[in-house]
Amino acid sequence: QVQLQESGPGLVKPSETLSLTCTVSGGSVSTYYWSWIRKPPGKGLEWVGYIHSSGNTNSNPSLKSRVTMSVDTSRNQFSLRLSSVTAADTAVYYCARGGLRYFDWLSDWGQGTLVTVSS
Amino acid sequence: DIQVTQSPSSLSASVGDRVTITCRTSQGINNYLAWYQQKPGKVPNLLIYAASTLQSGVPSRFSGSGSGTDFTLTISSLQPEDVATYYCQKYNAAPWTFGQGTKVEIK
Repeated sequence: QVQLQESGPGLVKPSETLSLTCTVSGGSVSTYYWSWIRKPPGKGLEWVGYIHSSGNTNSNPSLKSRVTMSVDTSRNQFSLRLSSVTAADTAVYYCARGGLRYFDWLSDWGQGTLVTVSS
Repeated sequence: DIQVTQSPSSLSASVGDRVTITCRTSQGINNYLAWYQQKPGKVPNLLIYAASTLQSGVPSRFSGSGSGTDFTLTISSLQPEDVATYYCQKYNAAPWTFGQGTKVEIK
């Protein structure tokens, strides 16, 4: 089973950029598709986007202009940057492992990290 | 984009009851649907993928069915440890979409 761990600032100011990293252990970041999902307080799960080390990437249309994702194979990590954040971006952010294809389910999840957008 | 509608939003049932949660998509997605369980304060956990395949380690009282636009998650005999919010998710193509969630409580 692959283990994932999110890391990054827990507090981000409005209009700034949220940056999170997910460190993968027990598997290679080059093998699978990797996703970000978030859960705002009191709301349901929202898909943010997925990325593969091949460069195949896609993100939620509602966030697409603000989302940047990358993979660092040397560190076995992948990352999320979300620009111009507002209070609506406050959420628990999860990283998760997909499959070998972009159309696969999410098998393993990180513990999640709460990011609060506030001045 | 394909819409995903999950119902009910919440339910309360007795221990041992059969519980059914429904997920409907606005267009056919073949069987590209997964179900997740999220207990309070915990990480989402994969229960079912490909609409009806039980993830390894998941109790057999959970089952999934459906194809096309209509899908069902069934708990054959509700247990106290099943108190959680359940989400369906379509993954046939981007954008992936989760259902709104169904909160399951014990009566």
